[in-house]
Amino acid sequence: DGGITQSPKYLFRKEGQNVTLSCEQNLNHDAMYWYRQDPGQGLRLIYYSQIVNDFQKGDIAEGYSVSREKKESFPLTVTSAQKNPTAFYLCASTLTVGSYGYTFGSGTRLTVV
Amino acid sequence: EDKVVQSPLSLVVHEGDTVTLNCSYEVTNFRSLLWYKQEKKAPTFLFMLTSSGIEKKSGRLSSILDKKELFSILNITATQTGDSAIYLCAVARGNQGGKLIFGQGTELSVKP
Repeated sequence: DGGITQSPKYLFRKEGQNVTLSCEQNLNHDAMYWYRQDPGQGLRLIYYSQIVNDFQKGDIAEGYSVSREKKESFPLTVTSAQKNPTAFYLCASTLTVGSYGYTFGSGTRLTVV
Repeated sequence: EDKVVQSPLSLVVHEGDTVTLNCSYEVTNFRSLLWYKQEKKAPTFLFMLTSSGIEKKSGRLSSILDKKELFSILNITATQTGDSAIYLCAVARGNQGGKLIFGQGTELSVKP
C-alpha cells in the first residue's frame, strides 16, 4: 500500500544534540512538507520541497535543516540551535506543486530530556 | 499577517448531539479552505471548499464556506464516540504551491 512512513514514532534527545527524523513516501509525489504541531497552536510549516534537490523555508525554519536527495525521502534534522524542540512532527506530501490533497505520515513525537 | 482562527478550542458533547465547529480566516489571495480530522496521529482529509454557499456533505458531516464573511463551519449531526478527534481547518493561498495555513484546531470529545 502506498503511503508516508515516518520514523521513529517516539524520540528522546538530550539538550545540545542534533537528531534526524525520517520521512519516506512511495506515492510518487513531487512535493513534501514538514509541519510542527504544538498544543493549542495547530500545525506550523517548517520546510517544504517541491522537487528533488530543492527546498524552501517555511514559517519556523530556524534551528532546522532538511535535504531532498531522492524524490521519496525528505529527512528533517532538528539541530541544537532549535530552542524548544519538544513537539509532534508531521510529514506530508502532495502529488504536484499546487495541489492540496495532503497525505500525512503518522508523526514523530520528539522529547528533549 | 495571514491567520486562521478556529473556535471553540475544545468541546465536550454527548452522543446524539449536533455540533458546529467554526473557522474564520484573514488570508491574502485565498484559494481554498480544507477540513481535516486528526484522531491520533495522521490527519485525514474531510472536505475542500472553494466556492461560497455550496454545502459539501459526507454522511453526518457537512461543511460550507462564506467567502464574503470569511468563515467556514463544519457540522456533525448525531455525534458518535468515534467522532472524538481534533478537527483542523486550513487555508490554501494561490501561487503558494501546496502550503497551507492551519488554525489551532478544535478538540471534540463525544461522551457516551
